[in-house]
Amino acid sequence: DGGITQSPKYLFRKEGQNVTLSCEQNLNHDAMYWYRQDPGQGLRLIYYSQIVNDFQKGDIAEGYSVSREKKESFPLTVTSAQKNPTAFYLCVSSIGAFGQGAGELFFGEGSRLTVL
Amino acid sequence: AQTVTQSQPEMSVQEAETVTLSCTYDTSESDYYLFWYKQPPSRQMILVIRQEAYKQQNATENRFSVNFQKAAKSFSLKISDSQLGDAAMYFCAYRSAGNSGYALNFGKGTSLLVTP
Repeated sequence: DGGITQSPKYLFRKEGQNVTLSCEQNLNHDAMYWYRQDPGQGLRLIYYSQIVNDFQKGDIAEGYSVSREKKESFPLTVTSAQKNPTAFYLCVSSIGAFGQGAGELFFGEGSRLTVL
Repeated sequence: AQTVTQSQPEMSVQEAETVTLSCTYDTSESDYYLFWYKQPPSRQMILVIRQEAYKQQNATENRFSVNFQKAAKSFSLKISDSQLGDAAMYFCAYRSAGNSGYALNFGKGTSLLVTP
């Protein structure tokens, strides 16, 4: 079955450490996104990519980095520069890219990152 | 950037009754998509209903319907015959249908409680 897989589901990190969250999709979607979810804040966009080897900053990109070397993969690195990294992270993919249509968003199950 | 506002952080409804969740948005675009997503405690996002801005007819999906007022930039969700399984966080979302290819913008969510 096609879908999005995020891993790990739960992750603990010590302060000062970088951590990478994995996001893989086998839906052949062009567009992939990372959102951060905090209580009372909704979903805030961190980075998005509409094509391989290209990505754009979202509203809260500081302290995060991404890569898009393969169509199916869009890993997110939470760096030590992110001052408040404890949150729930959602990876999303979509058919639509460059105005090909809104499509429907497909969500991963999320990764819960806790900084100790 | 487009903003989405959900003015009700929490709502409560009795089983079998009807409840309406409000959503307003700000945009200068004429062509876009609006969505309602449900997020149960499992955190898995579930698409409830979608509305294309160019369609005047309000979208419906079984017990879920929307009241789309384009001029007023309002997109409320009505849940009829509420069930215990409807209890969840509900997010209103906006996506451009143009060539910007930008991601969805989400509201901060409304937590719906369903009481027996």
